[in-house]
Amino acid sequence: QKEVEQNSGPLSVPEGAIASLNCTYSDRGSQSFFWYRQYSGKSPELIMFIYSNGDKEDGRFTAQLNKASQYVSLLIRDSQPSDSATYLCAVNKSGGATNKLIFGTGTLLAVQP
Amino acid sequence: ETGVTQSPTHLIKTRGQQVTLRCSSQSGHNTVSWYQQALGQGPQFIFQYYREEENGRGNFPPRFSGLQFPNYSSELNVNALELDDSALYLCASRPPAGGTEAFFGQGTRLTVV
Repeated sequence: QKEVEQNSGPLSVPEGAIASLNCTYSDRGSQSFFWYRQYSGKSPELIMFIYSNGDKEDGRFTAQLNKASQYVSLLIRDSQPSDSATYLCAVNKSGGATNKLIFGTGTLLAVQP
Repeated sequence: ETGVTQSPTHLIKTRGQQVTLRCSSQSGHNTVSWYQQALGQGPQFIFQYYREEENGRGNFPPRFSGLQFPNYSSELNVNALELDDSALYLCASRPPAGGTEAFFGQGTRLTVV
């Protein structure tokens, strides 16, 4: 079982729709969760992080965390063609003084104009 | 702009050679992590440096080594390059005193032929 799992997609949504991206993780001790956006050929860009159960909203983005179900999701409202990218879910795994991120393989989102 | 700068942006090396990648972290960020991202995969943690000491390492062989300097800039060295080392190498910095999120530089694309 992979530590962080995402559907590779592609997830295709029409412009203006809500895109829903999902992620599950295996380590119940994980404390912090991140969503990165990565355009083709570029480095990952942090767009959201969440530490507590529930929802966290930032503009068109909402991150949702359910620790009991070991599930993290990212909702993108009013999707735009410029949102087309790979979305990487990452989980912080702390071991002593080390903070390392464990990434999923990413979900490719395609927003159709 | 994350304030993390990596050099070079692209590099082509021959199998068996050695390579040094450089990272200048964001001002005041004393923790630097390196990740390897193979094509179609999520980034994988290589190691972390804090105050010039390696304090965490992922599942990478000893031919991957690093340094952190007093100004918190960092180097990643890879000896005896293999074809599978071809990847995007990412440097991330973190602020002191908390903050588990990682801000990536633009990456170095290494191609081993």
